[in-house]
Amino acid sequence: EDQVTQSPEALRLQEGESSSLNCSYTVSGLRGLFWYRQDPGKGPEFLFTLYSAGEEKEKERLKATLTKKESFLHITAPKPEDSATYLCAVQPGRDTASKLTFGTGTRLQVTL
Amino acid sequence: KAGVTQTPRYLIKTRGQQVTLSCSPISGHRSVSWYQQTPGQGLQFLFEYFSETQRNKGNFPGRFSGRQFSNSRSEMNVSTLELGDSALYLCASSPRGGGADTQYFGPGTRLTVL
Repeated sequence: EDQVTQSPEALRLQEGESSSLNCSYTVSGLRGLFWYRQDPGKGPEFLFTLYSAGEEKEKERLKATLTKKESFLHITAPKPEDSATYLCAVQPGRDTASKLTFGTGTRLQVTL
Repeated sequence: KAGVTQTPRYLIKTRGQQVTLSCSPISGHRSVSWYQQTPGQGLQFLFEYFSETQRNKGNFPGRFSGRQFSNSRSEMNVSTLELGDSALYLCASSPRGGGADTQYFGPGTRLTVL
């Protein structure tokens, strides 16, 4: 069974204080690993897709990396508007259907 | 390009009733997936439709069903509602589904069962 574990559950940072969120996974043949951001009461907003170990992607203050067992979302010099829940999800490679298995997320709060 | 839309945004029902939720995917997307999000369980996969056929199904009881129309719009139905069905129901669309297609989510329908 596919499993995704995210840590920490919650993280409080001061503006400008960089940190990393962790996503550990077990999956039968990884087809893709996805990062989403979710604001309260809204649907998840797509951030990145990573396909293979060693891959990295960046967008503004966010950088996602992937190894064979985990992914990291690095947040550099965060701002209050980066406050949200960050979700990690994996898609297995054993079939062609779109079944994502999600972690429970990391709630990030960035304060002034 | 318009995003994924879901209607209604909020619903209040009582136990035993049934409910139908609607999802319109991004134009050109043929795969629609449904997820249930609760504080305790997080996001859980319900089912996926592609070209009007259910292609994959999660571990939910048969009270949860869905369908897809020829224009790729999808509906999901929950019959005999239970208190535990209170959740945010999210719809996601992707061009083909599978192959690590990115899934784009709608705003969700908040269902409250009293």
